[in-house]
Amino acid sequence: EPEVTQTPSHQVTQMGQEVILRCVPISNHLYFYWYRQILGQKVEFLVSFYNNEISEKSEIFDDQFSVERPDGSNFTLKIRSTKLEDSAMYFCASRVTNTGELFFGEGSRLTVL
Amino acid sequence: QQQVKQSPQSLIVQKGGISIINCAYENTAFDYFPWYQQFPGKGPALLIAIRPDVSEKKEGRFTISFNKSAKQFSLHIMDSQPGDSATYFCAASLSGNQFYFGTGTSLTVIP
Repeated sequence: EPEVTQTPSHQVTQMGQEVILRCVPISNHLYFYWYRQILGQKVEFLVSFYNNEISEKSEIFDDQFSVERPDGSNFTLKIRSTKLEDSAMYFCASRVTNTGELFFGEGSRLTVL
Repeated sequence: QQQVKQSPQSLIVQKGGISIINCAYENTAFDYFPWYQQFPGKGPALLIAIRPDVSEKKEGRFTISFNKSAKQFSLHIMDSQPGDSATYFCAASLSGNQFYFGTGTSLTVIP
């Protein structure tokens, strides 16, 4: 069964460092998303991406965050200068259409020290 | 403003019992209401979803009940099993836009 894959599964970084989280969405999907989940809390929307541009973003997705689809398969989330409060599980998700089922990856746990 | 409110925060049910999780939403324009199941260390996985043109949807032991006038929807798990122990999230979205998730319900099914 096709799945969304994410790397790394866990990353530990120092405050102020840049982090790139990578995702490979399901191959025929056109809509891509990043969500995050702080430990024990709800899943929060960060950004959606379609046709090589951001289609929607939340208040969380400030200037420190950026997304990119550098080639035909990868979808990345960059945090330029990490803060302690960026520690969370980051989930990539994708779907074929903007109304179809949303498939999540297994997440990348980011720990900022 | 919290778009989707979910209760209870945690739930303990005996094996074979019925688990019921409730959600309420704010935006009457929402047109898609999925439930996600999440096991520790895993991403959320779609369990069942409903659109507001129906009041109930059943898939196996899982049923969504939807009350449009009350802006509420609930998940019922019949004959709950220990393997159902997980965190359940309700969500709501407006076509093509972001999903708003509830705060999650940790379900424990006791053998």
